[in-house]
Amino acid sequence: EDQVTQSPEALRLQEGESSSLNCSYTVSGLRGLFWYRQDPGKGPEFLFTLYSAGEEKEKERLKATLTKKESFLHITAPKPEDSATYLCAVQEGSSNTGKLIFGQGTTLQVKP
Amino acid sequence: NAGVMQNPRHLVRRRGQEARLRCSPMKGHSHVYWYRQLPEEGLKFMVYLQKENIIDESGMPKERFSAEFPKEGPSILRIQQVVRGDSAAYFCASSRGDTIYFGEGSWLTVV
Repeated sequence: EDQVTQSPEALRLQEGESSSLNCSYTVSGLRGLFWYRQDPGKGPEFLFTLYSAGEEKEKERLKATLTKKESFLHITAPKPEDSATYLCAVQEGSSNTGKLIFGQGTTLQVKP
Repeated sequence: NAGVMQNPRHLVRRRGQEARLRCSPMKGHSHVYWYRQLPEEGLKFMVYLQKENIIDESGMPKERFSAEFPKEGPSILRIQQVVRGDSAAYFCASSRGDTIYFGEGSWLTVV
């Protein structure tokens, strides 16, 4: 069964304290791995898509990396406005139906 | 360029009533998806539609739930005879290519 596990569930950082969020997945062939940011009461906001092991993508203070079994979202020198829940999702290889399997998310709080 | 538009944002229904949630995809997108986020749970896929066609409804509950995406107008997620367990956030998404963009959600509360 396809599965996505994110850790930690919650993370508190001081402003400027870099860290990484983990997303482990089991899927029968990976079509794509997605990272989203979700603020309370809002919809998921697209951040990155990764397709193959070794791929990396960056956006401002965020950098996403992918291996054959997991993905990391690295946050460098975070600011309070980076506080949100970060969601990881995978799309199975044979699926072209937009069916994403989401993890439970990591809730990040950055204190000034 | 407007994003995925959902309405209503908040909806309160009594048990046994019907709920209708509407979704207009991003301009140029012809693929629409509905996801549900139950309290304290992750997002779960419900259904994938293209204009006038249901492509994948493997995540839809067998009873009371239906979805459509007509040739003209928004996509509709319809929940008949709502029960308290239907209280959740319902997200619509659309895509052109591999990137899937989500709307702000419709929060359904069943009292």
